[in-house]
Amino acid sequence: EAGVAQSPRYKIIEKRQSVAFWCNPISGHATLYWYQQILGQGPKLLIQFQNNGVVDDSQLPKDRFSAERLKGVDSTLKIQPAKLEDSAVYLCASSFLGDEAFFGQGTRLTVV
Amino acid sequence: EDKVVQSPLSLVVHEGDTVTLNCSYEVTNFRSLLWYKQEKKAPTFLFMLTSSGIEKKSGRLSSILDKKELFSILNITATQTGDSAVYLCAVRFTSGTYKYIFGTGTRLKVLA
Repeated sequence: EAGVAQSPRYKIIEKRQSVAFWCNPISGHATLYWYQQILGQGPKLLIQFQNNGVVDDSQLPKDRFSAERLKGVDSTLKIQPAKLEDSAVYLCASSFLGDEAFFGQGTRLTVV
Repeated sequence: EDKVVQSPLSLVVHEGDTVTLNCSYEVTNFRSLLWYKQEKKAPTFLFMLTSSGIEKKSGRLSSILDKKELFSILNITATQTGDSAVYLCAVRFTSGTYKYIFGTGTRLKVLA
């Protein structure tokens, strides 16, 4: 079974630039999560999709972050404009209903 | 406010030692508790616990949940250098959202 695919693996941008991350979940997994993990902290949920609908985006900074999951499969997370404090690893995960979540390799974002 | 607290934050041991990692939680609508191992970027699933007092075991790792006292422990016996990682605890809610929140993690370093 193929795992959760994410790209890119690394990204360096200047502050105020925009960036986008892509995630392809495990086939058949209806639930997709985007987490932000700042160095030394646990993952923080940014947004959760169930199929192509948003279930929870309470911690998503909506003035600069956006995400979509068209057709209930792939998802894109965008940051525009980026700030220094957005430097983190962005993790995508998927799960089949209430089973354990499987994580992708993540994207390490550095904002300079 | 829902929260998951892990202790200790970091731990250094020698090969062959036994370690116990702690996770306590205060959440509404508790469903299950999960343990993950994070070596580089992608957390990998270890255990999911839903019932009190039932030990889950995999090789040298074992875990148990106490739903009355609201905590779980992860034990690693005969530690090896390959056990060096961040161990994350996550709690899942009973609501239909299948939401997870994570603790800050315990960073374990095993010295040869």
